[in-house]
Amino acid sequence: DQQVKQNSPSLSVQEGRISILNCDYTNSMFDYFLWYKKYPAEGPTFLISISSIKDKNEDGRFTVFLNKSAKHLSLHIVPSQPGDSAVYFCAAMGRNQGAQKLVFGQGTRLTINP
Amino acid sequence: AAGVIQSPRHLIKEKRETATLKCYPIPRHDTVYWYQQGPGQDPQFLISFYEKMQSDKGSIPDRFSAQQFSDYHSELNMSSLELGDSALYFCASSLTLQETQYFGPGTRLLVL
Repeated sequence: DQQVKQNSPSLSVQEGRISILNCDYTNSMFDYFLWYKKYPAEGPTFLISISSIKDKNEDGRFTVFLNKSAKHLSLHIVPSQPGDSAVYFCAAMGRNQGAQKLVFGQGTRLTINP
Repeated sequence: AAGVIQSPRHLIKEKRETATLKCYPIPRHDTVYWYQQGPGQDPQFLISFYEKMQSDKGSIPDRFSAQQFSDYHSELNMSSLELGDSALYFCASSLTLQETQYFGPGTRLLVL
């Protein structure tokens, strides 16, 4: 039972354009969401997070949008750069439930083309 | 800035052997988490510790045990290794419970 889903295994974007990565979740108890970036042979690197009390959080080129009613979040990267090429994981946590574990999506491989 | 340190980075074992993975959290972080990532899969939560006590448990086999020491480092002990235990094992740490988790580089375990 995949509670966090990233339905696009891969995404290819032109350098300088916007990259939009999507994530859906099924557990309404999730109240904290994070995006991690992962290069081969490295651990996930934290990018940005959002609490369920917000609908948008921005940090430089990265913006995360949360639509609670649709149980959907997205990560926007603009402008996209070649160094952004990596696997991106969406993760969720039910902090109000006292949960500590992150539940991950399957990941989306982003390729930025020069 | 200091990151999470994991050792060893690579480990090769045979079936039925034991393995010990170590994790050193970011300084001042008191919470440690262990995740397992199989080939082509997303990371799965195994277990976590807060202030040296187990705080949450996920899909950790009974053959595995873990603990957190007084210096906050953690060790994951794996016994009677099986071929299916071959995976990447990530440790993460956070500044107290339910804060953002920062991951180490992982230990790649191969069981032959």
